[in-house]
Amino acid sequence: EVQLVESGGGLVQPGGSLRLSCAASGFRFSTYWMHWVRQAPGKGLVWVSRINSDGTITSYADSVKGRFTISRDNAKNTLYLQMNSLRAEDTAVYYCARDQWDGSGPLGLYYFDSWGQGTQVAVSS
Amino acid sequence: QLVLTQSPSASASLGASVKLTCTLSSGHSSYAIAWHQQQPEKGPRYLMKLNSDGSHSKGDGIPDRFSGSSSGAERYLTISSLQSEDEADYYCQTWGTGTNWVFGGGTKLTVL
Repeated sequence: EVQLVESGGGLVQPGGSLRLSCAASGFRFSTYWMHWVRQAPGKGLVWVSRINSDGTITSYADSVKGRFTISRDNAKNTLYLQMNSLRAEDTAVYYCARDQWDGSGPLGLYYFDSWGQGTQVAVSS
Repeated sequence: QLVLTQSPSASASLGASVKLTCTLSSGHSSYAIAWHQQQPEKGPRYLMKLNSDGSHSKGDGIPDRFSGSSSGAERYLTISSLQSEDEADYYCQTWGTGTNWVFGGGTKLTVL
């Protein structure tokens, strides 16, 4: 069974830093792209960042570019999100998610086929 | 610009059926989407991937009560024989080159 377990959330002051972790099990972690997705209080899901299977290619939403860094340790089956220069608007539940590609149909699709339970990040003075 | 539009809310009675809609922005009617369910205070759960031709593939353990269909730029999620645990937020999601991963705003389903 695929399991994704996030940790590392908490309360941090504006301008501070936090590192989130996502422990993966039940699948070959090293062969999958992985993502971080966040959800502000009472709001919808927003994609934050993704990393390819060997950690050499990353991408970010404009709102976090230059402040957040996604990384992974395939030996430890763990995904990370280093968050620096945190702002109040970064307050959210952060989910890690596994990427899947399906090339069937007229157009293929990258989508999230497994999710964690989330870790809460609150940025406040 | 690739945008997904969902109605904020929907409701239906226990045991009835409901059809939720996700609309792709102009010029993107061929895109496939995925549907995700988020029950209260839980992480999201992948339901299915839905192509523009209506073909779909469901995630592991997703009941037959959940099905998908398509018409033009609209993608549908139909839930039949509604149960109380179906009360949740439902999100559609797609991907585009340069746009990256995109979510609709979500539909909050109330089971009456």
